Amino acid sequence: AQRVTQPEKLLSVFKGAPVELKCNYSYSGSPELFWYVQYSRQRLQLLLRHISRESIKGFTADLNKGETSFHLKKPFAQEEDSAMYYCALIPYGGATNKLIFGTGTLLAVQP
Amino acid sequence: DTGVSQDPRHKITKRGQNVTFRCDPISEHNRLYWYRQTLGQGPEFLTYFQNEAQLEKSRLLSDRFSAERPKGSFSTLEIQRTEQGDSAMYLCASILGPGGRTEAFFGQGTRLTVV
Repeated sequence: AQRVTQPEKLLSVFKGAPVELKCNYSYSGSPELFWYVQYSRQRLQLLLRHISRESIKGFTADLNKGETSFHLKKPFAQEEDSAMYYCALIPYGGATNKLIFGTGTLLAVQP
Repeated sequence: DTGVSQDPRHKITKRGQNVTFRCDPISEHNRLYWYRQTLGQGPEFLTYFQNEAQLEKSRLLSDRFSAERPKGSFSTLEIQRTEQGDSAMYLCASILGPGGRTEAFFGQGTRLTVV
């Protein structure tokens, strides 16, 4: 079965420190991977997609098919990055196009 | 507002009552998803539609839950004989669909409290 694992419930860093939010997935086919973010009192929104290979708000994520990982990184955290981050996948090639989420990591950036 | 909207935003109901939630997706989006989210958990998939066809339902969706998308536009999620364990945030999302961008746009959710 398709699954997304985010091992850390909470990641607390100081402003200016590097950030890495971990995400591992299980799916034998070719998934599309995403990071979604939810800021306080706002709706869930897309941060980035692996297909786009873009950097959004200084965040990047590389799909590593060998390690089945899609970790989110930022070299210098800002206080405004504090939010809930969810890794998600769509298991293309399978019998479904459902969007599957991990349990999320709360990023807290301390001043 | 051209985003995904959900109604109501909050619902308090007594155990055993039926409730219905509505989701209006972005108009040209043909995929619509329902999720449930409880404290400390990520969104759990419930069901999804491509146009009016319900293509998949999670095993989380008991017989008390039913969803419809009659004309491929808005969708409703009904919970019959609510239980306290149904208390959660119910999220709706829409995606453009095959061949288009796969970014999911979410509504603000309906928070259900069963007392």
